[in-house]
Amino acid sequence: GENVEQHPSTLSVQEGDSAVIKCTYSDSASNYFPWYKQELGKRPQLIIDIRSNVGEKKDQRIAVTLNKTAKHFSLHITETQPEDSAVYFCAEGGNNRLAFGKGNQVVVIP
Amino acid sequence: DAGVIQSPRHEVTEMGQEVTLRCKPISGHDYLFWYRQTMMRGLELLIYFNNNVPIDDSGMPEDRFSAKMPNASFSTLKIQPSEPRDSAVYFCASRGQGEVNEQFFGPGTRLTVL
Repeated sequence: GENVEQHPSTLSVQEGDSAVIKCTYSDSASNYFPWYKQELGKRPQLIIDIRSNVGEKKDQRIAVTLNKTAKHFSLHITETQPEDSAVYFCAEGGNNRLAFGKGNQVVVIP
Repeated sequence: DAGVIQSPRHEVTEMGQEVTLRCKPISGHDYLFWYRQTMMRGLELLIYFNNNVPIDDSGMPEDRFSAKMPNASFSTLKIQPSEPRDSAVYFCASRGQGEVNEQFFGPGTRLTVL
């Protein structure tokens, strides 16, 4: 079955530092791993995703790395800015649906 | 494109009343998903449709919840009768055909049941 866990639940970083959030999953059949960002009172929005045939993907200040053997993938945010403060959700996908983790609260301290 | 549209944005009702949430997916999208978000349980998938047909409703909490998709541009999620524990933000999302890919979320409906 699907079980997605995110660590740590809350992360505070100084502006300019890097933030790393790790996600573990249980379904070995999953082949799609997105990260969504949700600002307070807003809808979740996709920021980056990776498929199971790729180990790493980067888009400007954000990157995602995937370790299928260990069943975990991580979100890396470099040079953090105050606007990066939000809740970040990872998800695992397969069979047309997504299972979401409970989210990580990231706070960037100016 | 206006994106996924949901209505109402906020709903306050009393316990026992019927609640109907509405969703218009992005034009051309074949999949529609209903989620519920709470602090305790996070983002839970309730049900999803493919080409207007319900595919998996295993996340629907109980018989008080029902969802329909009469056509490709409209879906409803109904709660009857509503209870205080149904208070949450309900999101609708849609995506296109093909491999699993990005789901686009609507703005959500914040439901409060008193």
